[in-house]
Amino acid sequence: DAGVTQSPTHLIKTRGQQVTLRCSPKSGHDTVSWYQQALGQGPQFIFQYYEEEERQRGNFPDRFSGHQFPNYSSELNVNALLLGDSALYLCASSSVRTGQVTYEQYFGPGTRLTVT
Amino acid sequence: KQEVTQIPAALSVPEGENLVLNCSFTDSAIYNLQWFRQDPGKGLTSLLLIQSSQREQTSGRLNASLDKSSGRSTLYIAASQPGDSATYLCAVSQPSNFGNEKLTFGTGTRLTIIP
Repeated sequence: DAGVTQSPTHLIKTRGQQVTLRCSPKSGHDTVSWYQQALGQGPQFIFQYYEEEERQRGNFPDRFSGHQFPNYSSELNVNALLLGDSALYLCASSSVRTGQVTYEQYFGPGTRLTVT
Repeated sequence: KQEVTQIPAALSVPEGENLVLNCSFTDSAIYNLQWFRQDPGKGLTSLLLIQSSQREQTSGRLNASLDKSSGRSTLYIAASQPGDSATYLCAVSQPSNFGNEKLTFGTGTRLTIIP
């Protein structure tokens, strides 16, 4: 059973560019959340997708957008990159299906984004 | 707004000792609390999840307790080993209409076990 997978592992971009990060949830999961983790900090919630719609959003600007596909995989897009966007981006999956009462979230290995 | 604090920020202990990591949160209306482990530059590994109706959970040498009314949780690690060296993060989720909740994290405790 594959866990949460993310691609790419590392990425280097220049200020002003755009980036797309990808996530495949754990088998059987239908909800994907994205988090940003700056160096030395705890992860910060960006947004969550369920049934191909953004359901919750954290305190991030509109430069951060996302998408969820019918197979539950998800993309995170960041436009007009700033130096401060350099961070580890984590994807987490969970399930709302009947019987899943704990809503435990499972995290992927992350994508390290460096903006120069 | 929920805030999560972890003390201490860093901890070094000799191998074999038992230790306790602390987590506190400001809003006691939580759905569950998770403890995670993070190795340098890596993703998060879930260690234990405690539902709001529970008081503790155990897995091997790990025991997590939850006192929701006082906004506190502890992670107890018995007989520490060098392989336990990592950053430990706690995170809480809160009820909403959606069910699958966002997590609010602390900044973590960086644990070093000295051989």
